[in-house]
Amino acid sequence: RKEVEQDPGPFNVPEGATVAFNCTYSNSASQSFFWYRQDCRKEPKLLMSVYSSGNEDGRFTAQLNRASQYISLLIRDSKLSDSATYLCVVNIVPRGKLIFGQGTELSVKP
Amino acid sequence: SAVISQKPSRDICQRGTSLTIQCQVDSQVTMMFWYRQQPGQSLTLIATANQGSEATYESGFVIDKFPISRPNLTFSTLTVSNMSPEDSSIYLCSVVGASRYEQYFGPGTRLTVT
Repeated sequence: RKEVEQDPGPFNVPEGATVAFNCTYSNSASQSFFWYRQDCRKEPKLLMSVYSSGNEDGRFTAQLNRASQYISLLIRDSKLSDSATYLCVVNIVPRGKLIFGQGTELSVKP
Repeated sequence: SAVISQKPSRDICQRGTSLTIQCQVDSQVTMMFWYRQQPGQSLTLIATANQGSEATYESGFVIDKFPISRPNLTFSTLTVSNMSPEDSSIYLCSVVGASRYEQYFGPGTRLTVT
C-alpha cells in the first residue's frame, strides 16, 4: 500500500464547476499536511497547508480528518488557470521528509 | 519564501558520465533536500543535506551514486554518478519554510541520459 494515495485522474471539468480531490495516508506519525500544485514541466508549488480545523483560501478549502487519515481539497468556481496536477503531501516530523501522493490531474475546459 | 535557483536547468549526458547539479538559496537555511521526479511519477526524496554533517540518504539511494555536498547554509550540490538511462529524471532541491514543515522547491534540473 502506498503511503499517500490520491484519487486517480484526470478530472475534466467545465469552468465554474466545483471539484473535490481526496487523499488518504497510511502513516499515523504524519504530522503536517499540504496540497501542492504542479504545472506541466514546473516545480511543485505550495498551494495550502491543511489543518485539523480546516482552512480556506479564496476558492480553495482543505480539510483534514486525522481519525480517518483523510485529506481533501475542494475547488469552487473552477478557472482555466486551475488546470494542473494537485499533489497531496504529508510530512513525517521531525525528519522533515515529505511523502508525495502520485498526483491528480485537473483539466478545466471552457 | 526563499528564492531558490538550480544549475543547470537541463542537460543531456552520455551513459557512464557524471553530472553535478547546484542549488543556491538566497537566505541561510538549515535543512536542504534533494528529490527526484521520474517521468510520469511523483517526487521521491533522495537525501537530506545538512550543513556540517553527512547527508542522510533514503532507502534505495546511496552516497556512491548520489554524493552530496553542503559547504554552507546557502548552497548544496548533488552529483549523479556513472549515469544510465534510468537516471533520466527531474532533480529538485528544496528548503523548509518559516514554519519548518512546508518546503519550497527550486525550478529543477531536467536530466536526459542517452
